[in-house]
Amino acid sequence: SYVLTQAPSVSVAPGQTARITCGGDNIGSKSVHWYQQKPGQAPVLVVYDDSDRPSGIPERFSGSNSANTATLSISRVEAGDEADYYCQVWAGSSDHLCVFGTGTKVTVL
Amino acid sequence: QPQLQESGPGLVKPSETLSLTCTVSGGSISGSSYYWGWIRQPPGKGLEWIGTVFHGGSTYYNPSLKSRVSISVDTSKNQFSLKLTSLTAADTSIYYCARGQIIVGPSAMNYWGQGTLVIVSS
Repeated sequence: SYVLTQAPSVSVAPGQTARITCGGDNIGSKSVHWYQQKPGQAPVLVVYDDSDRPSGIPERFSGSNSANTATLSISRVEAGDEADYYCQVWAGSSDHLCVFGTGTKVTVL
Repeated sequence: QPQLQESGPGLVKPSETLSLTCTVSGGSISGSSYYWGWIRQPPGKGLEWIGTVFHGGSTYYNPSLKSRVSISVDTSKNQFSLKLTSLTAADTSIYYCARGQIIVGPSAMNYWGQGTLVIVSS
């Protein structure tokens, strides 16, 4: 089965850039989606198809994907960005099996 | 903007079957551009995909749950449902329903319900 690996936690000072990685075998050949989840809330899509942003998501959120690593970058980090972040892909022989990453807790110092 | 709302029992006994429903408002569940899914999250842990139903009724399930799961759609009520059998304490989770887009294939899940906590306990 396909596995997505994320670092458990990332700490960043306000105003700096947070980079959250998602590792998977040849993940660069897949479309990666990223979700933000704050405590007690449902996940919210922040980046889809590697680097596109849904309407209403700040430009500070950006994504990239190459080889075996996808990355979600949050520039000019704010206190409100503190949350868990999950990557997600579709995998399997027909690309109809959904896989979530293990999740990364972003702490704003 | 579609809205999704989960409903079902908050407490279920071990070995019983969990039935949850997701009611969709603000859009038709019948569109071919979307898929509908269930995701769960044990307290304090990460997201786990349960399964997805596509237009026409085709379903795909997490291999680790496949023997216990079924997802169905009721277009007359604009709802889709989850059944999970042979429950154990390990099934205690927040259960989310979600809608995703289909572009060439399934894409991201851009609308989620608020989630419902299900506790498995005698």
